[in-house]
Amino acid sequence: GEDVEQSLFLSVREGDSSVINCTYTDSSSTYLYWYKQEPGAGLQLLTYIFSNMDMKQDQRLTVLLNKKDKHLSLRIADTQTGDSAIYFCAEKDNQGGKLIFGQGTELSVKP
Amino acid sequence: DAGITQSPRHKVTETGTPVTLRCHQTENHRYMYWYRQDPGHGLRLIHYSYGVKDTDKGEVSDGYSVSRSKTEDFLLTLESATSSQTSVYFCAISESSNQPQHFGDGTRLSIL
Repeated sequence: GEDVEQSLFLSVREGDSSVINCTYTDSSSTYLYWYKQEPGAGLQLLTYIFSNMDMKQDQRLTVLLNKKDKHLSLRIADTQTGDSAIYFCAEKDNQGGKLIFGQGTELSVKP
Repeated sequence: DAGITQSPRHKVTETGTPVTLRCHQTENHRYMYWYRQDPGHGLRLIHYSYGVKDTDKGEVSDGYSVSRSKTEDFLLTLESATSSQTSVYFCAISESSNQPQHFGDGTRLSIL
């Protein structure tokens, strides 16, 4: 079945770049997503990439997709303390647009 | 923010009681979803709807039912709540199956 894997924790210093990694199993996924969840809040859509793209950049965020290895990464440049949150990777199931989520990576940004 | 309202935001109830959670949207989106979030599992899909009166099961549908009698409302019912259903429940909406999903703020449900 489909599965999405992420490392659970990442700690960086303010001003450094953060790279959050994700692997997925469904090679037929058409879209891959990154969501951010702050404590006590819902999931906020950060960015997404279509499967025929290798890279997408949006201000401080860069998404890289390696379809051959089924690997997705999210790079946050100049990481700030406000970026501390849980980041979820998700792939879109081809039936009904369902999302399959990873467990989430907790990003801690130290001043 | 997408116009999604979940109610209640918090609920504590006892095992064996019925519970209904409501998701209300003002975006007129066709698709609506219910997920649960548990430590170590990320979010898992319970049920989803692709139109009024059109619903389908997700990954963890046992013990849950849903109804969608109007475009704007998607109800999740636990007919007889169990402690294993203690969780945070999120509603999401999307314009179509190819569009991104946007999430509500969640309902924290505790079954004692």
